[in-house]
Amino acid sequence: AQSVTQLDSQVPVFEEAPVELRCNYSSSVSVYLFWYVQYPNQGLQLLLKYLSGSTLVKGINGFEAEFNKSQTSFHLRKPSVHISDTAEYFCAGRNFLNAGGTSYGKLTFGQGTILTVHP
Amino acid sequence: KAGVTQTPRYLIKTRGQQVTLSCSPISGHRSVSWYQQTPGQGLQFLFEYFSETQRNKGNFPGRFSGRQFSNSRSEMNVSTLELGDSALYLCASRWGSYKNNEQFFGPGTRLTVL
Repeated sequence: AQSVTQLDSQVPVFEEAPVELRCNYSSSVSVYLFWYVQYPNQGLQLLLKYLSGSTLVKGINGFEAEFNKSQTSFHLRKPSVHISDTAEYFCAGRNFLNAGGTSYGKLTFGQGTILTVHP
Repeated sequence: KAGVTQTPRYLIKTRGQQVTLSCSPISGHRSVSWYQQTPGQGLQFLFEYFSETQRNKGNFPGRFSGRQFSNSRSEMNVSTLELGDSALYLCASRWGSYKNNEQFFGPGTRLTVL
């Protein structure tokens, strides 16, 4: 079974400071990893995804994440945050089932990290 | 291209009633998944439909059911509502069932059970 753990439930940070949101995963099968952002009263928006290839993944809004297989981590980083980055962030994983590449749509989510950017 | 739409956006029901939520996927997408989001349990997978067939189901009681129509629109139904069913219900669509098919989420339906 797969599980995703976000290590911090809340992260306060000042504007223009760097930030890292931590995510660990456990899975006995190959997994794809995602980071989503949720603004108040909205759905989830995909920030970035790791499917294969380069372990450093760049996403929207200046975010990036690094897949580390040995540490089973997929931490999200941004070198300089803005007030508008205040939101809840979710790390998620999806197993794929076979060498042909088909998979169920099921995503397993972490508990979320609330990022609050202070002026 | 229009995004995933969910109706209604807000809903208030009382215990024991039933409710139906609707999801229209992005045009051309054939897969629809449903998630429940609550402060205590977080985001939990309910089920996925692909080409009108339920392909995967989460660990929810039988009161939760769904279906998908030939135009890929999906509905989920919750019967005999309980207070604990109060949640944000999110729908997500993707084009196909391949491992790299990205999921796009709708804005959700906020269900309050009184």
